[in-house]
Amino acid sequence: GNSVTQMEGPVTLSEEAFLTINCTYTATGYPSLFWYVQYPGEGLQLLLKATKADDKGSNKGFEATYRKETTSFHLEKGSVQVSDSAVYFCALTDVYNTDKLIFGTGTRLQVFP
Amino acid sequence: DGGITQSPKYLFRKEGQNVTLSCEQNLNHDAMYWYRQDPGQGLRLIYYSQIVNDFQKGDIAEGYSVSREKKESFPLTVTSAQKNPTAFYLCASSVREGPYNEQFFGPGTRLTVL
Repeated sequence: GNSVTQMEGPVTLSEEAFLTINCTYTATGYPSLFWYVQYPGEGLQLLLKATKADDKGSNKGFEATYRKETTSFHLEKGSVQVSDSAVYFCALTDVYNTDKLIFGTGTRLQVFP
Repeated sequence: DGGITQSPKYLFRKEGQNVTLSCEQNLNHDAMYWYRQDPGQGLRLIYYSQIVNDFQKGDIAEGYSVSREKKESFPLTVTSAQKNPTAFYLCASSVREGPYNEQFFGPGTRLTVL
């Protein structure tokens, strides 16, 4: 079945460091891919998305490229801030039911000044 | 402002009691969802509804029930049959954007069963 695997956290970085959070997926067909962010005590917010191979999603300095050959959608940011501290979820659409999302387990990012 | 509201933010109940969590949206979205979030397990789908008066079980529907009598409302009842109900519950609604549905989330309700 469809699934998403994320690197385990927490990821701990100093401010202005480079961030990579790995996400790989298993799916038949061509799912759409997403990164959501959850700040402490809140719901999830869509951070970025990509709907086909080689698409690059970007928002707020974060980027992720849909790599079909490696079934990956790694999240990157060149210079993190303390305010980026949150939990990040990778997700994909269920190709059998595109109304449903399948989420990874989340990766906590902690950024220190 | 358009959005999704969930109430209450924190809820405490005694074991064996049913409890209903509220979810309202004014985004005019057709589809609505309930997820459960536990530490280290990501989000798991409980129920979803694509249209008024219709809903489908998700991956962990046992011990839960829902109704969808109005487009803007999708309440979730956690029944006494749910073995481990303490969790963070998230409601979402979605609008179709081409090949996928973009889901928008509410702020969540943290349920603690004592």
